Amino acid sequence: AQSVAQPEDQVNVAEGNPLTVKCTYSVSGNPYLFWYVQYPNRGLQFLLKYITGDNLVKGSYGFEAEFNKSQTSFHLKKPSALVSDSALYFCAVRDYGYSTLTFGKGTMLLVSP
Amino acid sequence: SAVISQKPSRDICQRGTSLTIQCQVDSQVTMMFWYRQQPGQSLTLIATANQGSEATYESGFVIDKFPISRPNLTFSTLTVSNMSPEDSSIYLCSVEYGANEKLFFGSGTQLSVL
Repeated sequence: AQSVAQPEDQVNVAEGNPLTVKCTYSVSGNPYLFWYVQYPNRGLQFLLKYITGDNLVKGSYGFEAEFNKSQTSFHLKKPSALVSDSALYFCAVRDYGYSTLTFGKGTMLLVSP
Repeated sequence: SAVISQKPSRDICQRGTSLTIQCQVDSQVTMMFWYRQQPGQSLTLIATANQGSEATYESGFVIDKFPISRPNLTFSTLTVSNMSPEDSSIYLCSVEYGANEKLFFGSGTQLSVL
């Protein structure tokens, strides 16, 4: 079985500060990991993915995520937050051999001016 | 990238009625999925829409309640049947290009059942 956990319902950050949104996963094989963002009244948008290779993955809008196999984590990061980054962020995982994604419950990121 | 048109964008329905949601993609795709996003909760996969055969439903979802059609590689419909207030949710169409690739999502259908 595959599962993903986002331990924080909400993360608050001041503009210009670094941000981290946490994600941990559980799979039986090799994970394929994704981050998606959902802006108000809009569908989900892909941010980045890890399939294999470099543990640090760079994605859209200046976001990056670090795959840590020993800690089974895939935290989303950005060096300097923008107010426009405020949105709902979903981590998702797919175990090798599975055809479908499992999503975390989402973390609301609020960036204050 | 894929352009996905999903409609209606929102609807308010009476208990006991049915609503059909349409998903149109601007190019042929192999994998199409239907998700539900209940208020304050994550996305839950309802089913994989298979072209030319019956949809593959996830645990907790059945064809009688959520019949799905996929007549070709660019179009699918999801029907929410005999609706109750518990069906109030956002329903999202999603497509995937290639293997292990990212998903593209429609803008969703906000359904409210009175």
